[in-house]
Amino acid sequence: AQSVTQLDSQVPVFEEAPVELRCNYSSSVSVYLFWYVQYPNQGLQLLLKYLSGSTLVKGINGFEAEFNKSQTSFHLRKPSVHISDTAEYFCAVSYYGGSQGNLIFGKGTKLSVKP
Amino acid sequence: EADIYQTPRYLVIGTGKKITLECSQTMGHDKMYWYQQDPGMELHLIHYSYGVNSTEKGDLSSESTVSRIRTEHFPLTLESARPSHTSQYLCASSDTREVETQYFGPGTRLLVL
Repeated sequence: AQSVTQLDSQVPVFEEAPVELRCNYSSSVSVYLFWYVQYPNQGLQLLLKYLSGSTLVKGINGFEAEFNKSQTSFHLRKPSVHISDTAEYFCAVSYYGGSQGNLIFGKGTKLSVKP
Repeated sequence: EADIYQTPRYLVIGTGKKITLECSQTMGHDKMYWYQQDPGMELHLIHYSYGVNSTEKGDLSSESTVSRIRTEHFPLTLESARPSHTSQYLCASSDTREVETQYFGPGTRLLVL
């Protein structure tokens, strides 16, 4: 079965420090990849997505992610985090040939930014 | 900016009651989805729809049902709520012209006593 693994359930970090949230997926076929953010008591908001082309994808709020096909990874990075980045982050994948448009999500990583 | 709405945002209800969770979107999207979200777990797809009069079951078995009579409206119904239904329910929609990108509503937190 296809799956998405987010290796860290919680990541604490100090304000202005860099952060990387890790995501790996299982796949033997081509994929689309996504990162979503969920602030407390809200729904999910799209941060960025990889569909094709350049493997480095830039998103909103200064986040970026790099698609690595050989390592089946799509790690999310930000060079300097703010208190307002405290939220839960979900990696998701959609597979070519799967149920059209359906996403498979990881379990999420809670990013906690401390002053 | 996505315009997708869910009501109620919070619901506390007794066992055995019938409930309907509302979801509406004003973007004219053809696909709509319902997910169940529990703390520390993946979002699980429970229902989706390709358009009017289309409904499909998702990856996670659910005792809920859905209907799609209008493009903008995708309600989810539980005929007889149980404590095991306690969860957060997220509605989403997507436009097939915008590959694979789903827009989410704010969610409904359901507590069944």
